[in-house]
Amino acid sequence: EAGVAQSPRYKIIEKRQSVAFWCNPISGHATLYWYQQILGQGPKLLIQFQNNGVVDDSQLPKDRFSAERLKGVDSTLKIQPAKLEDSAVYLCASSLRYRGLVRVQETQYFGPGTRLLVL
Amino acid sequence: AQSVSQHNHHVILSEAASLELGCNYSYGGTVNLFWYVQYPGQHLQLLLKYFSGDPLVKGIKGFEAEFIKSKFSFNLRKPSVQWSDTAEYFCAVNVRDAGNMLTFGGGTRLMVKP
Repeated sequence: EAGVAQSPRYKIIEKRQSVAFWCNPISGHATLYWYQQILGQGPKLLIQFQNNGVVDDSQLPKDRFSAERLKGVDSTLKIQPAKLEDSAVYLCASSLRYRGLVRVQETQYFGPGTRLLVL
Repeated sequence: AQSVSQHNHHVILSEAASLELGCNYSYGGTVNLFWYVQYPGQHLQLLLKYFSGDPLVKGIKGFEAEFIKSKFSFNLRKPSVQWSDTAEYFCAVNVRDAGNMLTFGGGTRLMVKP
């Protein structure tokens, strides 16, 4: 079974530029997550999708970050404009599904991440 | 909101030594608990998880963890580490029946000397 795919693996940009990351979850996984992992810290959830709807984006800096999952499969995370403090690894994870309205306790599977350096 | 603390940021052990990594969480309700590992150059992988039942959970590669509800702890253990266990270890929790969002600890970087 293929894992979570992310691209690019590395990105270097200057501050105030924009950048986009792509994620393809494990086939059949309805729930998709974006995390930000700053060096020396644990991952922090930015946004969670259930199919193509947003479940939680309370920690997403909406003035500069946006994310979408238009067809309920692939997702993109965008930063515009980037700041120095956005330098981090951006992780995508997926988990199986909800069963109707019942939340299923699911394990999250992580992709390799995109390492962003903002200069 | 829940939080997770991993008190050991860096641990250095010799091969065959025993390992215990601490994890404490703060939340008064029911939680699910996880340990993830990140080997050098690789992505986060699940080591073990606790949802319910036996509080002593066995995972891959000889790791185990014990959920002690009264202490809000979920410490990771391994009786004899190997050089290949060199990695960063993350404890994580989510609140049961409140979504699947994980809250991670800051991680513990383990180095095993051959």
